[in-house]
Amino acid sequence: DIVMTQSPGSLAVSLGERATINCKSSQSVLYSSNDKNYLAWYQHKPGQPPKLLIYWASTRVSGVPDRFSGSGSGTDFSLTISSLQAEDVAVYYCQQYYSTPPTFGQGTKLEIK
Amino acid sequence: EVQLVESGGGLVKPGGSLRVSCAASEFTFTNAWMSWVRQAPGKGLEWVGRIRTNTDGGTTDYAAPVKGRFTISRDDSKNTLYLQMNSLKTEDTGLYYCTTIPLRGMPLVVATTGVWGQGTLVTVSS
Repeated sequence: DIVMTQSPGSLAVSLGERATINCKSSQSVLYSSNDKNYLAWYQHKPGQPPKLLIYWASTRVSGVPDRFSGSGSGTDFSLTISSLQAEDVAVYYCQQYYSTPPTFGQGTKLEIK
Repeated sequence: EVQLVESGGGLVKPGGSLRVSCAASEFTFTNAWMSWVRQAPGKGLEWVGRIRTNTDGGTTDYAAPVKGRFTISRDDSKNTLYLQMNSLKTEDTGLYYCTTIPLRGMPLVVATTGVWGQGTLVTVSS
């Protein structure tokens, strides 16, 4: 199974500042035939189901604010929130779908400083 | 709006069985690869298993901790997904979500990928 490791485990950022969450896979999730990274990001708030933010490592889901962006390739990925808003407080997960079973990172808890 | 609604969770004793369901609406369920994902109390997300569309063979895959004990099925005539859980263990306790998370080989239809239900709580305890 591909192991997904997120860092940091928790993060406190001031409102309006940049937040960056990292995700590393134990093997590459880049499929050479189509040059796509099989990596998604989710936002999970208490009492709500997770929300898909980004897929193919950098494609933002329609309706997701453009302050959210995904980057990276191969084994190293990042989710960046360019200007943190209060409503962004949540746990964020990366997920690989390169192979079965799909696996999630352990989560990064994002809070306001 | 695309919607998934789980039901059937509850309290069950270790070794017992439970079936949870997920009703889909406002999307073409027949065309969707469906997964169950669970979250144990205070823990992260864990994929439980997946069923492909009947067009794609209707085949299932399961996570190692549940293989041989859990069975996923679908009834396209009722737009409903099922998770039959047998030989339940205390470590199966958690919130069970029905979802269309991205999967390898799955046609990624933007409008219906990444949809999650609200979850149904399964508690395994004596």
